[in-house]
Amino acid sequence: GQNIDQPTEMTATEGAIVQINCTYQTSGFNGLFWYQQHAGEAPTFLSYNVLDGLEEKGRFSSFLSRSKGYSYLLLKELQMKDSASYLCAVRDSNYQLIWGAGTKLIIKP
Amino acid sequence: GAVVSQHPSWVICKSGTSVKIECRSLDFQATTMFWYRQFPKQSLMLMATSNEGSKATYEQGVEKDKFLINHASLTLSTLTVTSAHPEDSSFYICSAREADRESQPQHFGDGTRLSIL
Repeated sequence: GQNIDQPTEMTATEGAIVQINCTYQTSGFNGLFWYQQHAGEAPTFLSYNVLDGLEEKGRFSSFLSRSKGYSYLLLKELQMKDSASYLCAVRDSNYQLIWGAGTKLIIKP
Repeated sequence: GAVVSQHPSWVICKSGTSVKIECRSLDFQATTMFWYRQFPKQSLMLMATSNEGSKATYEQGVEKDKFLINHASLTLSTLTVTSAHPEDSSFYICSAREADRESQPQHFGDGTRLSIL
C-alpha cells in the first residue's frame, strides 16, 4: 500500500529553526510537495521537489532523497504566523497525490 | 498567477437541502480539478477527480449520486451535495492543476464550510 509518514505535532520557539520530516512508500514517484494549512483555511503551496537535493525559498527549504524515500521541510527564523499544519504529499506513478496526515507546528514565544 | 476561486465560503442550511459549490480557475485552464473533504483535525480526503468534458472519477466509499460533479468547461467545476444531512457537514476544498502541466502543483480554493442543521 501507499503510505506517507510525518510527525503529528511539533513545538518550536519563535526565532528558532525546525525541521519537519516526511517518509514515503508509494507506487512510483513523480514529485513531492509541501503545503501549509492554517486552521480553518485551505492549503497553500510551499515547495516542490522532484530531484534529490535542497530547494531553498526564503525562510523555507525542502530536501529530498528519493533513494531513502525521505524529505524534510526546514523553517528558519520562526515567526508566530508559522503556526500551522504542514502537509507532505507525493505524486505517484499515476500522477495521483498521496497526502500525509499533516504535522501541526506550534510556535511558542 | 494560478488562482482558484471557490464559492460560497460558508453554507448553513436545513437537512434535505441540496447545496452547490463552484470552483473556478481564474487565470489558467484546468483540465483536471480535485474535490476534497476535511473533517476537523483530520487530513485532506480526496473525494473525486473531475475531468473536463468527461465523468468524474470517485474515490472508494464516495457516493456518486450524493456528490454530483460537473466539469463543463476548462475553468469551472461544480460539486452538488444532494439532500444534505448533518453528517455531510464538513470543509470542502477544491483544487486545480494547470492543463498539460502535470509537473505543476495543485492550487487550492479557499474552501467551503458546510453546516447542515
